[in-house]
Amino acid sequence: ETGVTQSPTHLIKTRGQQVTLRCSSQSGHNTVSWYQQALGQGPQFIFQYYREEENGRGNFPPRFSGLQFPNYSSELNVNALELDDSALYLCASSAGQGISGANVLTFGAGSRLTVL
Amino acid sequence: GDSVTQMEGPVTLSEEAFLTINCTYTATGYPSLFWYVQYPGEGLQLLLKATKADDKGSNKGFEATYRKETTSFHLEKGSVQVSDSAVYFCALSRLTGGGNKLTFGTGTQLKVEL
Repeated sequence: ETGVTQSPTHLIKTRGQQVTLRCSSQSGHNTVSWYQQALGQGPQFIFQYYREEENGRGNFPPRFSGLQFPNYSSELNVNALELDDSALYLCASSAGQGISGANVLTFGAGSRLTVL
Repeated sequence: GDSVTQMEGPVTLSEEAFLTINCTYTATGYPSLFWYVQYPGEGLQLLLKATKADDKGSNKGFEATYRKETTSFHLEKGSVQVSDSAVYFCALSRLTGGGNKLTFGTGTQLKVEL
């Protein structure tokens, strides 16, 4: 089975620009979550998508938005980029919404965004 | 709100040494607890988990026991190898309407030397 794949792996943007990051979920998984990992920190939950709708959100402003497509892949969009948005963005998929003994998150390798 | 506190790194050990990485948490209710590992240039991999008090998670020689009385989930391994060098994250999750939200600690870097 294929794992979670993310693209691009690295990108550089300037302040004020917009960025779109993409994620293909693991086969059989219908839920996608996005996390932001700043350098030297633990990942922070951005939001989760299930059945093409956002069903959980962390403490991130509205300029962070997302989409989930019928094939369960997902996009993370960030508008009006700020320097503090520089981070590793991790996508994770799972076979359901809740974390239980069976429903664990599978993470991709991430997209590293640098904002200059 | 929920939070996870881990011991700061880096932790540097010689091969075959005993490893302990401390993790304590703050959360209401009965969270599930996890250890994830991140190798250089890779995403997070689930190492082990425990879903209720007194459960012991184990994998690849690593163990952690869910201690509700001390709100802890310390990671241990009896004999580390150079290949265990990575960053280790403790995390918790509570079943809510908001789904799979994991709250992570800041991570502990482990370096194992020959």
